[in-house]
Amino acid sequence: QVQLVQSGAEVKKPGSSVRVSCKTSGFIFSSYAISWVRQAPGQGLEWMGRSIPVLDIANPAQKFQDRLTLTADTSTNIAYMELTSLTSQDTAMYYCARDVSCGADCYLFDIWGQGTVVIVSS
Amino acid sequence: DIQMTQSPSSLSASVGDRVTITCRASQDISTCLNWYQQKPGKAPELLIYDASTLVTGVPSRFSGSGSGTDFTFTISSLQPEDIATYFCQQYDTVPRYHFGQGTKLEIK
Repeated sequence: QVQLVQSGAEVKKPGSSVRVSCKTSGFIFSSYAISWVRQAPGQGLEWMGRSIPVLDIANPAQKFQDRLTLTADTSTNIAYMELTSLTSQDTAMYYCARDVSCGADCYLFDIWGQGTVVIVSS
Repeated sequence: DIQMTQSPSSLSASVGDRVTITCRASQDISTCLNWYQQKPGKAPELLIYDASTLVTGVPSRFSGSGSGTDFTFTISSLQPEDIATYFCQQYDTVPRYHFGQGTKLEIK
């Protein structure tokens, strides 16, 4: 079945980097974009960026442009999110999601990974 | 940049009640508005897309309406399993994706 399975929880020091993987199955990886969304404890959802594997394109949100790298490996059907220069404000649950067109200039997230907790603490 | 305003931020209702959540966009977004349900400790799940289209398998007590700037999400008869936080989501060009602030729904 269609699923996204993310890598395990991470505990990081301030100033370090984290890399989260999102292993996909059950669909043609290169036919979709993958977005990344995070959720700080008790807070709402924040879109971070998306990657389009078939085009080898990444669109990070402006807020993260300087420290977010989104990549995708079409040989293994895995998407990656790397966030650098971590601070305590980056402590959150990180989700990958399949990004699908629902009309002209309209997109939704129809399948989500289970989430990866990232804790940034000294 | 399009702003999304979702209300209320929390809501307490009884089983069987009709529940309504609204989402307002700062400019016309046609029907590009999606609704998600997030149960505690779980990832969000898509319930409704394109403002009013129910995802296959989602109970018919859930519905959505609206276009332009004003949108409504309705649960016609609240069930205990509907306890969750609900988010609206809109897509802007560039690309940018915006979520509403969320509505936490509790049973009275």
